[in-house]
Amino acid sequence: QKEVEQNSGPLSVPEGAIASLNCTYSDRGSQSFFWYRQYSGKSPELIMSIYSNGDKEDGRFTAQLNKASQYVSLLIRDSQPSDSATYLCAVNYRDYKLSFGAGTTVTVRA
Amino acid sequence: EAGVVQSPRYKIIEKKQPVAFWCNPISGHNTLYWYRQNLGQGPELLIRYENEEAVDDSQLPKDRFSAERLKGVDSTLKIQPAELGDSAVYLCASSSRDSSSYNEQFFGPGTRLTVL
Repeated sequence: QKEVEQNSGPLSVPEGAIASLNCTYSDRGSQSFFWYRQYSGKSPELIMSIYSNGDKEDGRFTAQLNKASQYVSLLIRDSQPSDSATYLCAVNYRDYKLSFGAGTTVTVRA
Repeated sequence: EAGVVQSPRYKIIEKKQPVAFWCNPISGHNTLYWYRQNLGQGPELLIRYENEEAVDDSQLPKDRFSAERLKGVDSTLKIQPAELGDSAVYLCASSSRDSSSYNEQFFGPGTRLTVL
């Protein structure tokens, strides 16, 4: 069983819509959760960190964490063509190890 | 603040040849990571350093891979000899042990290795 699973995508949304990305993880002891954006041919870029249950908003991005359900999500509001990328969910396990999902590719169509 | 620096950005070699990658982390970051990312997958940790000590190298294929971080700053990852399956992007990341950061890791641009 994979430690971190993401909806496989690809996800296509019209410009201005909300893109919703989901991620589940297997280790209940996980303490911190991250979303990275990766443009084609580029390295992962940290866009959101969340540590407590609930919502965290940063501009057009909202991360949601539910530790009881072992679930973390990312919402992208008012999606723009520049949001087209692969989004990686990462979970911090014991001892500073980050485990990544395979990523969800988002395409925002104009 | 300068980000993580890696070189080279691209490397093409023939199988059985050696190759080395270099990384300079963000200033003040004690923890340095080497990851490998295959196409369509997330990064996978190869080795983690706390200052100059390798504290997690369980995923490093030690028969052909080696790494060092002699002065607790720059690091080098080496493959000798390279195999076709080593073709991937090799990413370096760093983080601070500041308790407020909860291990936010920042990546360098990566080295794309092609083994022919």
